[in-house]
Amino acid sequence: EVQLLESGGGLVQPGGSLRLSCAASGFTFSSHWMHWVRQAPGKGLVWVSRINSDGSSISYVDSVKGRFSISRDNAKNTLYLQMNGLRGEDTAVYYCIRELGTLWGQGTMVIVSS
Amino acid sequence: DIVMTQTPLSLSVTPGQPASISCKSTHSLLHSNGQTYLYWYLQKPGQSPQLLIYEVSSRFSGVPDRFSGSGSGTDFTLKISRVEADDVGVYYCMQGINLPYTFGQGTKLEIQ
Repeated sequence: EVQLLESGGGLVQPGGSLRLSCAASGFTFSSHWMHWVRQAPGKGLVWVSRINSDGSSISYVDSVKGRFSISRDNAKNTLYLQMNGLRGEDTAVYYCIRELGTLWGQGTMVIVSS
Repeated sequence: DIVMTQTPLSLSVTPGQPASISCKSTHSLLHSNGQTYLYWYLQKPGQSPQLLIYEVSSRFSGVPDRFSGSGSGTDFTLKISRVEADDVGVYYCMQGINLPYTFGQGTKLEIQ
């Protein structure tokens, strides 16, 4: 089955860290650019980061630059988002997506709160 | 950053009637390669978003032909020719030409 499965979300204190994972299956993961998009509770969609197929090109939205790091392991068909220095405004469902939305994961919830 | 503005923010439609959502960008989404990077997504209640339309007017796999996209430059429209109950949710446009990619605020479609 073609799917993306995120994991790693949870409750973390402000200033803490989390690493999100996105396991891809059913397609050639290494051929695709991948993105993270987030959605705060009751709010709209926000693009967070992207990585090209071999990991050599990476971009972030300004609000997470210097705190978040996207990476991928094509041998494991897995996308990652290392999130450090978490803030309350980072509270959201985080979706991994293939290309610009041809496939979405189910999302993983990150709650930043003391 | 490119700002994407959707109108209306909500609409209530009788089944079988048409619906239209506008999306305007602050910068042209026409790339020098001739492609225009405007996308439409639908987020049904309790679900992840799904791609409906890519590059202004191309329907993604499995999307009914009731959905159509049009526009150019900075002005775009998503049309549903005959709304069905399954079309409820929030519709988003997104530009994919400049980083950071940006979404519209979303348009909530309800069935009357």
